[in-house]
Amino acid sequence: EPEVTQTPSHQVTQMGQEVILRCVPISNHLYFYWYRQILGQKVEFLVSFYNNEISEKSEIFDDQFSVERPDGSNFTLKIRSTKLEDSAMYFCASSERTGGVQPQHFGDGTRLSIL
Amino acid sequence: AQTVTQSQPEMSVQEAETVTLSCTYDTSENNYYLFWYKQPPSRQMILVIRQEAYKQQNATENRFSVNFQKAAKSFSLKISDSQLGDTAMYFCAFMKHEGAQKLVFGQGTRLTINP
Repeated sequence: EPEVTQTPSHQVTQMGQEVILRCVPISNHLYFYWYRQILGQKVEFLVSFYNNEISEKSEIFDDQFSVERPDGSNFTLKIRSTKLEDSAMYFCASSERTGGVQPQHFGDGTRLSIL
Repeated sequence: AQTVTQSQPEMSVQEAETVTLSCTYDTSENNYYLFWYKQPPSRQMILVIRQEAYKQQNATENRFSVNFQKAAKSFSLKISDSQLGDTAMYFCAFMKHEGAQKLVFGQGTRLTINP
C-alpha cells in the first residue's frame, strides 16, 4: 500500500538555525498538510497546500514557516530561524482530494529537537 | 472554532475484552466528519474509522464501531475482541465539511491491551 514518507526521522538543530523537513506524499494525492505534536500535547494543524499554494494556515504558521513543493514529488516544511518551542514531532499528510470521504494519510513523522 | 475532547488519558484492558473510548466535540457546523486515528508505537497515524455527520447509521469496520450521538456531540469508539496489536494512542478528530480540510484532534487516549 502506498505510504507517505518523511525524512529525516529525527533532526537535531541549534536554536536560530534553519531546518527543512521533507515529505514525499502518495503519488496521486493532490492535497498536502503539515501537523505538529509537541510532547504530551495534541496534534495541531499547521498548514494545508493545494495547487502550489497554501489553502489554509493556523496561527502557529507564522512568517518563520514556509512550505514548498519544489519538484512535483517532495513537499517541504522550512522553519527559518528555529526556537526552542519548535521542538515537536512534525507530521506530513496527504489526501487524494478534499472531503472527509478522502482520508488524510500520515507519514511516520520527524522528531525535531532544538538545542 | 471547533474543539475535540478525549477525557480518558489512558485505558487498559485484557485481550479479548471490549473497550470503549470516549470523545466529545463542540461545533456550530451541521455537516462535518469525525474520525478515529490510531498511532501505534511505530508512530504512523492510521485511520481506523470515519463517520459522516449527516448519516444516522453508526459506522463499523470489522471489530471497530462507533456510537455517534449528534445531538450530544459525542463520538465514542468501541473495540470488540481486543487484540494485542490494538495497543496504541487513539485520536478522535473533527473535520468541517466545507473549506480547507484540516483535522482538529483531541488529546488522545493511550490504550494498552494486556495479554
